[in-house]
Amino acid sequence: DSGVTQTPKHLITATGQRVTLRCSPRSGDLSVYWYQQSLDQGLQFLIQYYNGEERAKGNILERFSAQQFPDLHSELNLSSLELGDSALYFCASSAMGAMNTEAFFGQGTRLTVV
Amino acid sequence: ELKVEQNPLFLSMQEGKNYTIYCNYSTTSDRLYWYRQDPGKSLESLFVLLSNGAVKQEGRLMASLDTKARLSTLHITAAVHDLSATYFCAVEGGGGADGLTFGKGTHLIIQP
Repeated sequence: DSGVTQTPKHLITATGQRVTLRCSPRSGDLSVYWYQQSLDQGLQFLIQYYNGEERAKGNILERFSAQQFPDLHSELNLSSLELGDSALYFCASSAMGAMNTEAFFGQGTRLTVV
Repeated sequence: ELKVEQNPLFLSMQEGKNYTIYCNYSTTSDRLYWYRQDPGKSLESLFVLLSNGAVKQEGRLMASLDTKARLSTLHITAAVHDLSATYFCAVEGGGGADGLTFGKGTHLIIQP
């Protein structure tokens, strides 16, 4: 168990809908990252938050947004869903600022858009 | 744009054999990560390589980093079935700040 908790584990929704994925980082970790894993694109970095502030953006679509709350948990919001958004979404957390900024991954949320 | 290339992408080998997975990346970076993923599961951190010449070993797996050649290797010694998984290398940067750019992964099957 990495200590990173993601909910829900599975989500099935229809095209055009909006969903929210939730992530609780490891205790003490200030940085949260979101990744998308699909057969087509592989593992892609979406966005990073550090202590409540957006720190870096990767290949995140405009239909997607995220935030990190004062208690450091994070939510990834996906809207106007398309079939191609079906993927495994991972959250990872790291301490940041330490020499070893190894990121630990949660179990993922499998999103299926039908 | 940072690119991370792994090869081979698919590897089937017999138990007891040795093999090496290669990871090339396209920009200067002093940090390289190896992860393991079992089907439908999360990514498990295997190694963090933080400097040129770094070598780390855990059981039958050994990873090394050559930042000048922009190359990391993951060597498997006397493979066993339990090592069957997909192995990813990842490099910081490209995604901005500390976001990782991953290779496509090496799907490793070890047959008895």
